[in-house]
Formats: sequence, structure tokens, C-alpha cells
Amino acid sequence: DVKVTQSSRYLVKRTGEKVFLECVQDMDHENMFWYRQDPGLGLRLIYFSYDVKMKEKGDIPEGYSVSREKKERFSLILESASTNQTSMYLCASSFGGLDTGELFFGEGSRLTVL
Amino acid sequence: GQNIDQPTEMTATEGAIVQINCTYQTSGFNGLFWYQQHAGEAPTFLSYNVLDGLEEKGRFSSFLSRSKGYSYLLLKELQMKDSASYLCTVVDSNYQLIWGAGTKLIIKP
Repeated sequence: DVKVTQSSRYLVKRTGEKVFLECVQDMDHENMFWYRQDPGLGLRLIYFSYDVKMKEKGDIPEGYSVSREKKERFSLILESASTNQTSMYLCASSFGGLDTGELFFGEGSRLTVL
Repeated sequence: GQNIDQPTEMTATEGAIVQINCTYQTSGFNGLFWYQQHAGEAPTFLSYNVLDGLEEKGRFSSFLSRSKGYSYLLLKELQMKDSASYLCTVVDSNYQLIWGAGTKLIIKP
């Protein structure tokens, strides 16, 4: 069975702290994504990666960075967390083109920045 | 700009039928997906349409009209477990996903 695992379901951090969210998929998918989900808004793409060590900015990359050192692992880093980064973060992976391949999501990491 | 419109919330009765609409204005079209997301859980794939018409999958069907920029998700024989948010997303001409805000469906006994 397909599985995308996110390291933490719930985190509480203070303003200025560094936050590290990790995502692991076991399906050998090339593509991996980080989204944030906020009430009343559609999913917003932060970064995506289509291969190891490759990364592309999404719609809202400011304040975030990513790392993909291994095919199965895609990490999202908040170098200095701010209160406006309080959100649900969803990791996803897919095989092949976005026009044909469904996304497989992790269960999300709910981050609260105080 | 690109836009996906869905109703924010809908209520329906157990055993009934409900139709969730999605209209889109995007730069090009390369497919439309519907996802289901239960509260506190990951979104999961429901359906994919790229050609006009109806795709049926058990109790769920999805319809697409590309000329009208319109899709709907039809849920029949509603069950309490169908209470969830339903997300519509379109693949645009750059093969990027444009997401609607989702429709929260409440099922009442």
C-alpha cells in the first residue's frame, strides 16, 4: 500500500525558531511536493522536486527552503519561524506527469508558531 | 488570474444524492481531479476527468464540460462517512495544479 509519512503531526514553535518538517514516501515516486493548507484557501504550493537534489519554487516559497538528498525523502525547512507560518503543511508525491498522475498525500503536520 | 470556484459548504441527508459543482478559469486545461479530505486526514484521490462527459465509479461520479469550464462531483446513496471536504483541482497549460478552496459536505441523519 502506498504510504507518505510526515515526521510530526503537531508542532508548537516560538517565533524565530528553526523548524524542520520531514516527509518520506515508499513508492519510488520522482515528484514530491510541499503544500500549506489554510481555511478558506486552496492548497498553496511551497516547493516541489522532480528528482534528487532538484527543487523548484512554487507559489509561496518565501520564508521556506527544502532539501531532497534521497529520492524517498523531502524536507521542508523554516529557517526562522514567524506567526504567519502557522498552518497545516501537507507533503505529497506522484509518479509521472501531473496531468495523469494522482497525488498521494501525507496526513499533514499542523504547525503553530507562538 | 486563475481561479477555481466551489461552494464553501453543503448539507445533505443520509441516503440522498448531492452534486458539488466546480467552475474554473485557468490558462489552459490538462485535466481535472477531485479529492476527498476527512477532517484531520490526508486528501485522497477520487476521480480524474480530461475529456467531456461522465466518469462513474461506484456511488461517485464526476462530470466535465471543458467548453463551460465546469465540473461536478455527484455522490449517491449518501452515507455518514461521506462527511468530508471535497477538493477540485485543475491542471493548467504549464502542468501546474490550481486548487479550489474545497467544499465541506455535512451529512445529516
